[in-house]
Amino acid sequence: DVKVTQSSRYLVKRTGEKVFLECVQDMDHENMFWYRQDPGLGLRLIYFSYDVKMKEKGDIPEGYSVSREKKERFSLILESASTNQTSMYLCASSPPRAASYEQYFGPGTRLTVT
Amino acid sequence: DQQVKQNSPSLSVQEGRISILNCDYTNSMFDYFLWYKKYPAEGPTFLISISSIKDKNEDGRFTVFLNKSAKHLSLHIVPSQPGDSAVYFCAASVGGGADGLTFGKGTHLIIQP
Repeated sequence: DVKVTQSSRYLVKRTGEKVFLECVQDMDHENMFWYRQDPGLGLRLIYFSYDVKMKEKGDIPEGYSVSREKKERFSLILESASTNQTSMYLCASSPPRAASYEQYFGPGTRLTVT
Repeated sequence: DQQVKQNSPSLSVQEGRISILNCDYTNSMFDYFLWYKKYPAEGPTFLISISSIKDKNEDGRFTVFLNKSAKHLSLHIVPSQPGDSAVYFCAASVGGGADGLTFGKGTHLIIQP
């Protein structure tokens, strides 16, 4: 089974702090994604990556950056956390294009910024 | 502009009956559609999918129907069971999904005993 793990299930940070959310997948997937889920808004794509060192902006990249130094690891960085970044953050991975459309999700990190 | 719409925030169905969850989309470039199920405090799990070249896909109690001309898809769950109570997200992709999925806002399905 594909396993996507996220470093923390719950996180509380203060406004202005730099926050790192880590995601690791064990299926050698090329594609990795970061989404946030908010009530009434569904899942929205923040950033994604096709391969190591590569990154692409999703629909709501403002206030975030990412890092992919190794194939299995994709990090989401909040440079200066703000209260409107309080959310559930979900990491996902998928095999290469044309191999499968399905994305496998981690359990999520509930981030609260106070 | 929302490209994938789930207009029912919640749906209540009696156990044993059919649950029908609906989804509409506006982007005619979408060529693959997926349904995900999500329990509280867990990540979404893949349920069933359908390619735009098909109009129906079935997997056990779950069937997805696609009406391309109406840009509409639906998920049927028969018979509904208590464990089906969850939030269901409709998602769509273009060209394999490597650019990410576009999700609807979700429908909270409640199965009543």
